[in-house]
Amino acid sequence: AQTVTQSQPEMSVQEAETVTLSCTYDTSENNYYLFWYKQPPSRQMILVIRQEAYKQQNATENRFSVNFQKAAKSFSLKISDSQLGDTAMYFCAFMKHVNSGGGADGLTFGKGTHLIIQP
Amino acid sequence: EPEVTQTPSHQVTQMGQEVILRCVPISNHLYFYWYRQILGQKVEFLVSFYNNEISEKSEIFDDQFSVERPDGSNFTLKIRSTKLEDSAMYFCASRAWGEGARDEKLFFGSGTQLSVL
Repeated sequence: AQTVTQSQPEMSVQEAETVTLSCTYDTSENNYYLFWYKQPPSRQMILVIRQEAYKQQNATENRFSVNFQKAAKSFSLKISDSQLGDTAMYFCAFMKHVNSGGGADGLTFGKGTHLIIQP
Repeated sequence: EPEVTQTPSHQVTQMGQEVILRCVPISNHLYFYWYRQILGQKVEFLVSFYNNEISEKSEIFDDQFSVERPDGSNFTLKIRSTKLEDSAMYFCASRAWGEGARDEKLFFGSGTQLSVL
């Protein structure tokens, strides 16, 4: 079974600063995906960024980027030029490739990091 | 972007009553899921569904829970006799076929907040 660990329950930074959220995971799989989901107070689950394990290049989406270290099983999220609207819970999640049974298991989530952007 | 639709957005029920939570997954998706999130806690997997049957279920998904895809579009979660501890946000999600799918990810609905009194 997979596990996902987010060791920072809460983080607070000033607007416009850069912040990095940590995530580590444990798996014996070689083919999988990693995700960061944002959950604002509305509790909608919003996909922020996605990384395919077989790709060495780190994923980026505008102000959001990841540092994927496969050997270390680490997947951190960096938010640049943070904005007040970035205030939310952020969940790191793991999913096996469907050919490894990922379709059945779906996502395994970490406990989340509550990110607060201060004005 | 296509959406997963969940109804109702909020359901209040008395302990011991049956509830049915409804979801309309994205039309060409093949995997369907229910997740649960108790307030302030992480999102927990309940069950996955593929090819009209349950693929996998967690320890949470005991005999009081059931899922159905009654008409090829809706995907429902039934809780037969609700308990206070069933109060949570319930998320439905769907996923396209894995091999060759352009976007290998789960699409989430906006959730149903279930309150058991």
